[in-house]
Amino acid sequence: RKEVEQDPGPFNVPEGATVAFNCTYSNSASQSFFWYRQDCRKEPKLLMSVYSSGNEDGRFTAQLNRASQYISLLIRDSKLSDSATYLCVVNYYNNNDMRFGAGTRLTVKP
Amino acid sequence: EAGVAQSPRYKIIEKRQSVAFWCNPISGHATLYWYQQILGQGPKLLIQFQNNGVVDDSQLPKDRFSAERLKGVDSTLKIQPAKLEDSAVYLCASSLVGGGIATNEKLFFGSGTQLSVL
Repeated sequence: RKEVEQDPGPFNVPEGATVAFNCTYSNSASQSFFWYRQDCRKEPKLLMSVYSSGNEDGRFTAQLNRASQYISLLIRDSKLSDSATYLCVVNYYNNNDMRFGAGTRLTVKP
Repeated sequence: EAGVAQSPRYKIIEKRQSVAFWCNPISGHATLYWYQQILGQGPKLLIQFQNNGVVDDSQLPKDRFSAERLKGVDSTLKIQPAKLEDSAVYLCASSLVGGGIATNEKLFFGSGTQLSVL
């Protein structure tokens, strides 16, 4: 099993749609989780951390299910500017050794 | 505030040649990472330093890759000899703390070095 596994995508959605990405991780002891965004030919940038109780930042909601070792990202009211690759990141051995998933590519169309 | 600096931006070499990449993290950042990102894949952690010590190099192909962070500031990553499959973007990142402390530390990435091995 891969350390961090994501939906392969790509996701092609119209503006205004709601889209959800999933991610699973293999180390049940991992404690902290993140979503990063990567635009084409750019470096990854932190989108949001994922907290145990779930957290929201505007149109973005992140959820954590420790029992299933599963993380999700929900984007509501998609904008054209949301088009990017979304990377799931796990602090795998709790040593700040940040392990990335393969990424899920999102394209929002007019 | 200056970000993470990397050089060169692009590098083209032939297989079996050697290449080195340089990274200068954000001032005061204790942890420095090197990642390899092959086209269409997520970044793969090669090595993680805290100050000048190695925290994790379990995924570094040590027969051909080496990295150092002398004086706990800037770092170099070397490939010798290069193979075709080393073609990728090499990303350097830094964070303020990290390495043995489980925190929600944000990673700051440089623009990367795009390596093409012919």
